[in-house]
Amino acid sequence: KNQVEQSPQSLIILEGKNCTLQCNYTVSPFSNLRWYKQDTGRGPVSLTIMTFSENTKSNGRYTATLDADTKQSSLHITASQLSDSASYICVVRSNSGYSTLTFGKGTMLLVSP
Amino acid sequence: GAVVSQHPSWVICKSGTSVKIECRSLDFQATTMFWYRQFPKQSLMLMATSNEGSKATYEQGVEKDKFLINHASLTLSTLTVTSAHPEDSSFYICSARGGLADTQYFGPGTRLTVL
Repeated sequence: KNQVEQSPQSLIILEGKNCTLQCNYTVSPFSNLRWYKQDTGRGPVSLTIMTFSENTKSNGRYTATLDADTKQSSLHITASQLSDSASYICVVRSNSGYSTLTFGKGTMLLVSP
Repeated sequence: GAVVSQHPSWVICKSGTSVKIECRSLDFQATTMFWYRQFPKQSLMLMATSNEGSKATYEQGVEKDKFLINHASLTLSTLTVTSAHPEDSSFYICSARGGLADTQYFGPGTRLTVL
């Protein structure tokens, strides 16, 4: 069964600090992995997309890593801002005959002033 | 980037009434549209998948007669919650797949509250 596990479940950090969110998956066959940011009451917005051959990708203060061998990904946020407070969701796409998405439950990040 | 819109963004209705939610892909043709439901502090749960011009495929446990999906064109899909009850109150998010990279884009969501 395809699964995506995220940790921690929730996280509180001070403004300006860095943090790293983790994502472990057992989706097979693997197509790509995306990190989404979802503000409360809004739809998810894509931050990064990682394919099998990519190890790291940055989007501003967001840096995602992927280890396809261990099936782990991380999202690193540097110099956090209050607006980073949101749920961060790891979504893995399988490359089966009919592509499907498997969602993690998300990490709720709160950046405190 | 590609944009997916939903209308309305929020709706409050009385128990027993039906509510229609629209999902539009604004600048690309969506071969497939997805409907998700999200309860507070939970992840998105796929309800159904629809391809333009064909019947939707519902996930296990989702009542197709209660959640009517119509995908009449490559840019529009509608979800109708029939005879809504308070337990149907949730955040409904649509997603559309298409474009050059065949990427899946999410709409902003619709908050449904059934009194």
